[in-house]
Amino acid sequence: DAGVTQSPTHLIKTRGQHVTLRCSPISGHKSVSWYQQVLGQGPQFIFQYYEKEERGRGNFPDRFSARQFPNYSSELNVNALLLGDSALYLCASSLEYYGYTFGSGTRLTVV
Amino acid sequence: AQTVTQSQPEMSVQEAETVTLSCTYDTSESNYYLFWYKQPPSRQMILVIRQEAYKQQNATENRFSVNFQKAAKSFSLKISDSQLGDTAMYFCALVSGANSKLTFGKGITLSVRP
Repeated sequence: DAGVTQSPTHLIKTRGQHVTLRCSPISGHKSVSWYQQVLGQGPQFIFQYYEKEERGRGNFPDRFSARQFPNYSSELNVNALLLGDSALYLCASSLEYYGYTFGSGTRLTVV
Repeated sequence: AQTVTQSQPEMSVQEAETVTLSCTYDTSESNYYLFWYKQPPSRQMILVIRQEAYKQQNATENRFSVNFQKAAKSFSLKISDSQLGDTAMYFCALVSGANSKLTFGKGITLSVRP
């Protein structure tokens, strides 16, 4: 059974550009969460979606948005990229609230 | 608000020895879950062990066990018979109440020496 898959693995963008990150949850998992991990720090919560509805939002600016599709996959969008958005973006899926499985992440570098 | 504190930035242990990683947390909720995650250089965040707050018995998974002190809000991870493959960053995390977000500590870098 495939785990949580994220794409792309690495990405380099220029300041001001827009980026879309993608996540496919484990089959049967209806909840997807996004986290930002800056080098040397613990992950910070960005969004959670459950059954296509937003269930939680972290302390991130409106430049960050997300959505979940009918097949439970999810996209994270970031507009007007800043240098400080450079980080590892992690996606986690869960069948129930408290059993989170993470993907390998997308490494975003903003130059 | 919920917080997780890991005050040790790094630790080192000899292969086959035992090491304990510390974590304290705070939440006003009575229903919560605590986790230890391992993140090797591959970046994959791997669940090591999980503890439900309502369970008094400490969780155990093979060489990994926790010391859950609810009154003290302490949740330490003990790794027995350390192996080279245990070298990684370890994060303590908390999810509580109806809030489904994981709150992570800053992590600790564990190095296992041959």
